[in-house]
Amino acid sequence: AQSVTQLDSQVPVFEEAPVELRCNYSSSVSVYLFWYVQYPNQGLQLLLKYLSGSTLVKGINGFEAEFNKSQTSFHLRKPSVHISDTAEYFCAVNRNSGGSNYKLTFGKGTLLTVNP
Amino acid sequence: KAGVTQTPRYLIKTRGQQVTLSCSPISGHRSVSWYQQTPGQGLQFLFEYFSETQRNKGNFPGRFSGRQFSNSRSEMNVSTLELGDSALYLCASSRGIPGNTIYFGEGSWLTVV
Repeated sequence: AQSVTQLDSQVPVFEEAPVELRCNYSSSVSVYLFWYVQYPNQGLQLLLKYLSGSTLVKGINGFEAEFNKSQTSFHLRKPSVHISDTAEYFCAVNRNSGGSNYKLTFGKGTLLTVNP
Repeated sequence: KAGVTQTPRYLIKTRGQQVTLSCSPISGHRSVSWYQQTPGQGLQFLFEYFSETQRNKGNFPGRFSGRQFSNSRSEMNVSTLELGDSALYLCASSRGIPGNTIYFGEGSWLTVV
């Protein structure tokens, strides 16, 4: 089975500051990794995903994430945040083989609050 | 291109009743999955359908069921509602291959009173 740990439940930052949202995963098999964002009263929107290849993945809205296999981490970063980035962010994994590879396993989420 | 559409968006039910939620996937997507989101448990996988067949099921009681139609539209049903079933139910669609982007709808907010 896979599991995802998002190390911070809440991250407050000031506008234009950099931010890192941390995600660690556990899995006995290879996985694909995803970051989703959820704005209030909305569904989830994909920010970026890692399937293979370059460990640095760039996504929408200026976000990027780095896959680190040895540390089983997939931290999300943005060099300068905006008020509009205030939302909840979810890290998720999807095993890339086997019978249960049609579902996402999510972390508990990190609430990013950007203050003026 | 239309996104994943869920109906109804909001509903209130009484304990013991049953409810049916509907989902229309993105055109061309044959995989539809359902997730329950609550403040306490977070996002939990319910089940996934591909071409009318359930391929995977989460750890939920038998009161939770679903189905997929030949046009890929899906419904999920919850019978004998309990207060703890109050949640946001999210439908998602994809082309059904691991690694494919999974697109989510805006969800159906269910309140059980």
